[in-house]
Amino acid sequence: EDKVVQSPLSLVVHEGDTVTLNCSYEVTNFRSLLWYKQEKKAPTFLFMLTSSGIEKKSGRLSSILDKKELFSILNITATQTGDSAVYLCAVGNNAGNMLTFGGGTRLMVKP
Amino acid sequence: DTAVSQTPKYLVTQMGNDKSIKCEQNLGHDTMYWYKQDSKKFLKIMFSYNNKELIINETVPNRFSPKSPDKAHLNLHINSLELGDSAVYFCASSPGTRAQETQYFGPGTRLLVL
Repeated sequence: EDKVVQSPLSLVVHEGDTVTLNCSYEVTNFRSLLWYKQEKKAPTFLFMLTSSGIEKKSGRLSSILDKKELFSILNITATQTGDSAVYLCAVGNNAGNMLTFGGGTRLMVKP
Repeated sequence: DTAVSQTPKYLVTQMGNDKSIKCEQNLGHDTMYWYKQDSKKFLKIMFSYNNKELIINETVPNRFSPKSPDKAHLNLHINSLELGDSAVYFCASSPGTRAQETQYFGPGTRLLVL
């Protein structure tokens, strides 16, 4: 069974801090890893990673995948209160047509 | 304008009842999904469906059944509701036939079973 573990479970920082969120996985026949941000309602897509070592960047957010060590990190620099959310990591494999989600990291950014 | 919409937003019902949640996407996507998110925010796939195949997560009780009248709709029907079914249910869609693509989520339906 595919497994995704995120850490830390929760994190409280102050505006301007930099945070790193972790996602480790065990997947048979890995295909991709995705990051989502969930505020009050639906998860919204951030990144999809398929290749090791290639950083994806969007504004203050960036993410990288290590397929050898089976993990990904999501970095947020110069955090803002609007970054407060649950960040979800999910992996997909080539075998089935489903994503397996981790339990999420709840980030709170204080003013 | 809403890409993926769900109705109702909230559903409160008694144990033993049968209920349906509707989902529609206007993105022209080929594949739709249902997820259950529990109180601990754990998001778990229930079904994946495109016009060629339905994939069911084996842990989902057979009281849950997806119904797709057409490509743009995937409704979730639940028989004999139980207390443990209380959760937020999210519908999602993706462009192709693989789950490993960007999925667009609906706003969720919060189900409370009393």
